[in-house]
Amino acid sequence: GENVGLHLPTLSVQEGDNSIINCAYSNSASDYFIWYKQESGKGPQFIIDIRSNMDKRQGQRVTVLLNKTVKHLSLQIAATQPGDSAVYFCAENIQGGSEKLVFGKGTKLTVNP
Amino acid sequence: EAGVAQSPRYKIIEKRQSVAFWCNPISGHATLYWYQQILGQGPKLLIQFQNNGVVDDSQLPKDRFSAERLKGVDSTLKIQPAKLEDSAVYLCASSGVTGTQYFGPGTRLTVL
Repeated sequence: GENVGLHLPTLSVQEGDNSIINCAYSNSASDYFIWYKQESGKGPQFIIDIRSNMDKRQGQRVTVLLNKTVKHLSLQIAATQPGDSAVYFCAENIQGGSEKLVFGKGTKLTVNP
Repeated sequence: EAGVAQSPRYKIIEKRQSVAFWCNPISGHATLYWYQQILGQGPKLLIQFQNNGVVDDSQLPKDRFSAERLKGVDSTLKIQPAKLEDSAVYLCASSGVTGTQYFGPGTRLTVL
C-alpha cells in the first residue's frame, strides 16, 4: 500500500547546525522521489529530487540520500538557517516523470536562533 | 517566469453551498494537477490533466467534485454541494517536460 513519510513529526535544531529529515516508503516500484518545503500559507516548494538509479544527489546546502534496500529517503540541510523553518514533505512517484505523486505527512522543522 | 496562479486565496462557505477555484499554470506546462491538503497532512491528488484530457481522477469524489480544463491552459475545480469535511487547502500544480511539479499558493476553503 501507499505508506510514504514515516517520520518524526517535528524536528528542532539550532541555527548553523545540520538537519536530517527522514522518510520511509513502502512501494518498491517507486522510481522517483522529491522533497518539498512548505511554509505557512504557501504551496509546496520544490527542493530537490532523485531517481532510483542514484543513491545521492546534492544541491545548494541540501543533499538527498536514497537507500533502496531499506526503502529510506533522507534530506540533509547544511548550516540550517531560520528561513529553513517549514514543513518538509517527501513524495514518491511510482511511474516516473509527471505521474502521480504520493506525499507523506511531513516533518515540521523549527530552527532556533 | 511567473508561477502557478490560483484564486481566490481564501473562501468561506456554508455546507451544501457550491464553490469554484481557478488555476492558471506555468506557461507551456501541459500537465496540471489539483490536490487537496487537509490540515496536518500531505497533499492528496484529486485529478491530473494532460493538456485538456483527464489522466487520473481516481481519487476525485465525483458525486460532488468536478474539474475542467477546456482549452488546455486554465482549470477550474468545483465542489457542489460542499460538506464540512471538504474544508482544506486546494492546491494546483503544473509540470512541463521535466516532470517536476510546481505548486501554486493554494485556496484555503472553510466549510461552516
